[in-house]
Amino acid sequence: GNSVTQMEGPVTLSEEAFLTINCTYTATGYPSLFWYVQYPGEGLQLLLKATKADDKGSNKGFEATYRKETTSFHLEKGSVQVSDSAVYFCALSDRPGGSYIPTFGRGTSLIVHP
Amino acid sequence: EPEVTQTPSHQVTQMGQEVILRCVPISNHLYFYWYRQILGQKVEFLVSFYNNEISEKSEIFDDQFSVERPDGSNFTLKIRSTKLEDSAMYFCASSERSGGVNQPQHFGDGTRLSIL
Repeated sequence: GNSVTQMEGPVTLSEEAFLTINCTYTATGYPSLFWYVQYPGEGLQLLLKATKADDKGSNKGFEATYRKETTSFHLEKGSVQVSDSAVYFCALSDRPGGSYIPTFGRGTSLIVHP
Repeated sequence: EPEVTQTPSHQVTQMGQEVILRCVPISNHLYFYWYRQILGQKVEFLVSFYNNEISEKSEIFDDQFSVERPDGSNFTLKIRSTKLEDSAMYFCASSERSGGVNQPQHFGDGTRLSIL
């Protein structure tokens, strides 16, 4: 079956530090990969996605590259801000039985201090 | 920007009682979903709904769960006889078409269900 493994949090950084949140996956097919973000008290929002190998998804300064050879989709940002404090979920989606139901990781909490 | 709205934000219920969680999906969306997230664990798919019927459900979605679209705007999740282990955050989501890669699901802010 499909699964997503994320690094455990919380990740605590100072403002303007470099961020990496690791994500690896196992999938039976050729999945699409996603990062979702959940700000405090809110629902999940799609942050970025990549649909095939070597694609790079990017949004709001965040980037992640689909690495098929290492089955990874690590999230990076060059300079984090306090407003980036949230929980980040890596997810994959393929099409078993004809529907795209995402499989989520456990989430990684990011805390950014001023 | 249109939003998925969920009510209530927090529901406290005695074990064994029925609970209904409500969601208003984005108005032109056709596919609806429920997920749950037990505290500290991953988000888990429960059920998807299209054209007034369940299109897919997970092993979690057993006979105590049901979903309904009672009118043109609401989408509800009913838990018939709640158990302690039903305590979780429940998220509703909707998408314009089947949740393919170019049709992301839009999530509500969730309902925190606490079973006592």
